[in-house]
Amino acid sequence: KAGVTQTPRYLIKTRGQQVTLSCSPISGHRSVSWYQQTPGQGLQFLFEYFSETQRNKGNFPGRFSGRQFSNSRSEMNVSTLELGDSALYLCASSLNVAGGPDTQYFGPGTRLTVL
Amino acid sequence: GNSVTQMEGPVTLSEEAFLTINCTYTATGYPSLFWYVQYPGEGLQLLLKATKADDKGSNKGFEATYRKETTSFHLEKGSVQVSDSAVYFCALIVGGGYNKLIFGAGTRLAVHP
Repeated sequence: KAGVTQTPRYLIKTRGQQVTLSCSPISGHRSVSWYQQTPGQGLQFLFEYFSETQRNKGNFPGRFSGRQFSNSRSEMNVSTLELGDSALYLCASSLNVAGGPDTQYFGPGTRLTVL
Repeated sequence: GNSVTQMEGPVTLSEEAFLTINCTYTATGYPSLFWYVQYPGEGLQLLLKATKADDKGSNKGFEATYRKETTSFHLEKGSVQVSDSAVYFCALIVGGGYNKLIFGAGTRLAVHP
């Protein structure tokens, strides 16, 4: 079974631009979560989508948004990029079996550099 | 609130040495606990997990036991290899059906021949 895939793997943008990252979950997984990884702040939860609805959100400004499609694929968007948005953005998917927390499986990440 | 504290790295060991990476947690509720590993330039890979007290997770020679009384989930391996060099993250999820992983800061392990 194919793992979580993320595209693109690398991105270079300039301040003020916007960017869209894509994530395809493992087949059959319905939950997709996004995380930001930086040297200073470590791994931080951005948001989680399930059945096309955002059901959990971390402490990030409104410039960070996402969505999920009916096939469970997800995108995240960052508008008005700032230098501090440079990070590795990781997507994770899980089955979301009812009754307990799920194991999340991560993709390879998208490395975003903001100049 | 919920949080995870890991021992600071880097941890530098010789091949075949014994490894311990300490992890303690604070959680409201009854968390599930995880160890993830990140190799250079890659995403996170699940190493092992435990979902209730006294459970032992194990994989590839790594082990960790869920200790509710000490709120700990220390990672151990009896004999490390150069290929184990990576960053190790301890993490938790508090139940409720929502998949918000809370990570520790990570511990970098370097194993030398």
